[in-house]
Amino acid sequence: QSALTQPASVSGSPGQSITISCTGTSSDVGGYNYISWYQQHPGKAPKFIIYDVSNRPSGVSNRFSGSKSGNTASLTISGLQADDEADYYCSSYASSSTLVFGGGTKVTVL
Amino acid sequence: QVQLQESGPGLVKPSETLSLTCSVSGGPINSYYWNWIRQPPGKGLEWIGYIFYSGSTNYNPSLKSRVSISIDKSKSQFSLNLTSVTAADTAFYYCARDRAPRSSWFWFDPWGQGILVTVSS
Repeated sequence: QSALTQPASVSGSPGQSITISCTGTSSDVGGYNYISWYQQHPGKAPKFIIYDVSNRPSGVSNRFSGSKSGNTASLTISGLQADDEADYYCSSYASSSTLVFGGGTKVTVL
Repeated sequence: QVQLQESGPGLVKPSETLSLTCSVSGGPINSYYWNWIRQPPGKGLEWIGYIFYSGSTNYNPSLKSRVSISIDKSKSQFSLNLTSVTAADTAFYYCARDRAPRSSWFWFDPWGQGILVTVSS
């Protein structure tokens, strides 16, 4: 059970859109639609922002959207804002009711 | 709203057992899966395992031989034991509720604030 692969860093200017990829295998990302995304600001606990590939919990901005194609899930942040600067983690259900996280992506707002 | 709070020693000696407790307030402990997740300083998240309110458990295969999670419904608490710790177990340890309906999995919300556990002699 290896960690999902995310780019170490992604950056963009305010107002732009960025996309973070999360690549796994057919045993996790490709095999299930139980993909979640979390946002983590420095020194804080992660915050739940996407579930089941593309759904947003109540209260999460619609600037966050998720998708999946094959073994790769993606998180897109549109209209980038200063407060979006944080670490982002994907997670996926894996076999036998276990979970695997991505390695995390640091988003920098230029 | 539901709140989670981790507690336990911040320093554990190598080869000893790390023991943490998560206290749940503001909501029921029944009908949910309760999880432990850790994060070495400056690194990514690692799922440790969960316990269902009924007592059934499931663990990360890479930690399974050293981990146990238990629950005390009367106190609205669940606990983590990790045996034979080494410096590699130094991390922030978070507890989190999986609030997914049973048609889905692993919606971690809320999380506790996290507790740093350092393994050192």
